[in-house]
Amino acid sequence: DAEITQSPRHKITETGRQVTLACHQTWNHNNMFWYRQDLGHGLRLIHYSYGVQDTNKGEVSDGYSVSRSNTEDLPLTLESAASSQTSVYFCASSPGGARGPLHFGNGTRLTVT
Amino acid sequence: AQKITQTQPGMFVQEKEAVTLDCTYDTSDPSYGLFWYKQPSSGEMIFLIYQGSYDQQNATEGRYSLNFQKARKSANLVISASQLGDSAMYFCAMRGLTQGGSEKLVFGKGTKLTVNP
Repeated sequence: DAEITQSPRHKITETGRQVTLACHQTWNHNNMFWYRQDLGHGLRLIHYSYGVQDTNKGEVSDGYSVSRSNTEDLPLTLESAASSQTSVYFCASSPGGARGPLHFGNGTRLTVT
Repeated sequence: AQKITQTQPGMFVQEKEAVTLDCTYDTSDPSYGLFWYKQPSSGEMIFLIYQGSYDQQNATEGRYSLNFQKARKSANLVISASQLGDSAMYFCAMRGLTQGGSEKLVFGKGTKLTVNP
């Protein structure tokens, strides 16, 4: 069965370190998204991509970057981790089109100390 | 810009009763889609139901139905015959469907539902 996999599931890092969160999907979806989830804020969009070599900023993109070199992967990089980036991160994908829901990974819990 | 408002941070319901979770939205897109997701304590996001703004009928999926009132810009989720396993966070989300428009979803802050035995 097709799926979307995030790794690692849990990560603890120190302030100032570069961190990369992996997202791999086997749905063959063009669209991929990164959200962060914080208590009281719901899910907020960080970056998204509509296809290979395409990336776009979401509402909370400062301090984050993504790259899309193939259909399956959209890694999220925190250039210099900050305590404010402690959160649960969700990757999602969709085939595109009006009715298609997002398919989510199981999330990565990141703690920045 | 699109905005989703969920005004109920928490809701309680007795097992086997029905419950309505509120969702209002704001958008300038003439065509849009509305989604509901469930997030149990284990953390995964589970898609429940979809409503298109031009759909003639309210969406239903098993025990889930969507009370869509376009003029009021509301898309409330109704869960019938609540079960203990329905205890979870519920998120309302929307996507504008304008030709060439963005495909990203905008989420509300969620409602935590607790089903009591």
